[in-house]
Amino acid sequence: QKEVEQDPGPLSVPEGAIVSLNCTYSNSAFQYFMWYRQYSRKGPELLMYTYSSGNKEDGRFTAQVDKSSKYISLFIRDSQPSDSATYLCAMREQGGGADGLTFGKGTHLIIQP
Amino acid sequence: GAVVSQHPSRVICKSGTSVKIECRSLDFQATTMFWYRQFPKKSLMLMATSNEGSKATYEQGVEKDKFLINHASLTLSTLTVTSAHPEDSSFYICSASAGKGTEAFFGQGTRLTVV
Repeated sequence: QKEVEQDPGPLSVPEGAIVSLNCTYSNSAFQYFMWYRQYSRKGPELLMYTYSSGNKEDGRFTAQVDKSSKYISLFIRDSQPSDSATYLCAMREQGGGADGLTFGKGTHLIIQP
Repeated sequence: GAVVSQHPSRVICKSGTSVKIECRSLDFQATTMFWYRQFPKKSLMLMATSNEGSKATYEQGVEKDKFLINHASLTLSTLTVTSAHPEDSSFYICSASAGKGTEAFFGQGTRLTVV
């Protein structure tokens, strides 16, 4: 059964803080892991894309995948009020285009000015 | 990133009528398109996967006769909600992919309200 667990929050932190967002999953066949940002019920915007275990950094964002623990994280450094949004983790078994994504529920993040 | 356009962004319809939602890939050919549904404060749930020129593959629990999907060209897929009921009110989002080895990009979503 495909299942992804994500704390819906809300998570409220002061501007400039480091934010840690997490997801756990049960399907060991997941290989591709993504983080999306979604504003006000708009379409999700891809932030980070990671294959298998390891870390990936892009500007203020760092994605970590620990397949042995079935645990993924997104870190946001120097958080800004504009980072306030819902963050969705997503994953798939096969490479892009082959199958749809399984999403977490999303974490509502609030960055306080 | 690639652009996926979804139309309309918001629609209100009467119970019992049908509504068509369009998903277009504007700058690439989408061999595969996905349709998701999102309830308030809930995750996006995959409804169906469609490959150009083939019948859509529906996820378990999704009624294929109620949610008609057509993917007749490499740039357009449509989702028709037939005989809509208030419980069909939701946020519908499409994504499009150029095929294996490429990432899928999302449209902006359609807010459907059935009254």
